[in-house]
Amino acid sequence: EAGVTQFPSHSVIEKGQTVTLRCDPISGHDNLYWYRRVMGKEIKFLLHFVKESKQDESGMPNNRFLAERTGGTYSTLKVQPAELEDSGVYFCASRPGGDTYEQYFGPGTRLTVT
Amino acid sequence: GQNIDQPTEMTATEGAIVQINCTYQTSGFNGLFWYQQHAGEAPTFLSYNVLDGLEEKGRFSSFLSRSKGYSYLLLKELQMKDSASYLCAAYNNDMRFGAGTRLTVKP
Repeated sequence: EAGVTQFPSHSVIEKGQTVTLRCDPISGHDNLYWYRRVMGKEIKFLLHFVKESKQDESGMPNNRFLAERTGGTYSTLKVQPAELEDSGVYFCASRPGGDTYEQYFGPGTRLTVT
Repeated sequence: GQNIDQPTEMTATEGAIVQINCTYQTSGFNGLFWYQQHAGEAPTFLSYNVLDGLEEKGRFSSFLSRSKGYSYLLLKELQMKDSASYLCAAYNNDMRFGAGTRLTVKP
């Protein structure tokens, strides 16, 4: 079974540019999560999809961040326009529905905004 | 507010036992996760405690006290490959992580 995959593994962009991160969850997992780890800080929750619907987006920092999961399969997280403080590692995680609580994490995308 | 605290760094010797503590204060609580993360890799699941008490899984055990807002991860017979960051996370619909404890195992 393939794990959670994320693309790209690393992105370097200039302030003001746009970047789109992609996450492919484990096949059949209804729940998809985005997290971010800024240098030296803890991993912070951004949002949670159940299938194609946003269940909780309380962790999204501001309206420069837009997450989508059309069709309930893969998800994208767009940052537009990027700012210096957006630099960090963006993790995606997925889990099946029901009473299984374990979340399976992807390797992360390291975003550097210069 | 929500607060999840764990030590920043710990060092232990190969073959020894180490206990990594985590205290949490969260609005709403369903359970407590422990994840292991090697540098540059994805966090991997170690344990999930819902009820009070100790759960053992091979060399790793995890303990939870809901009344005290406290958990620990116990690693026995330490191996060099156990050098990693250990993340404590409180779960209430979503996971709220601590900053992680970087464990270094020395020969």
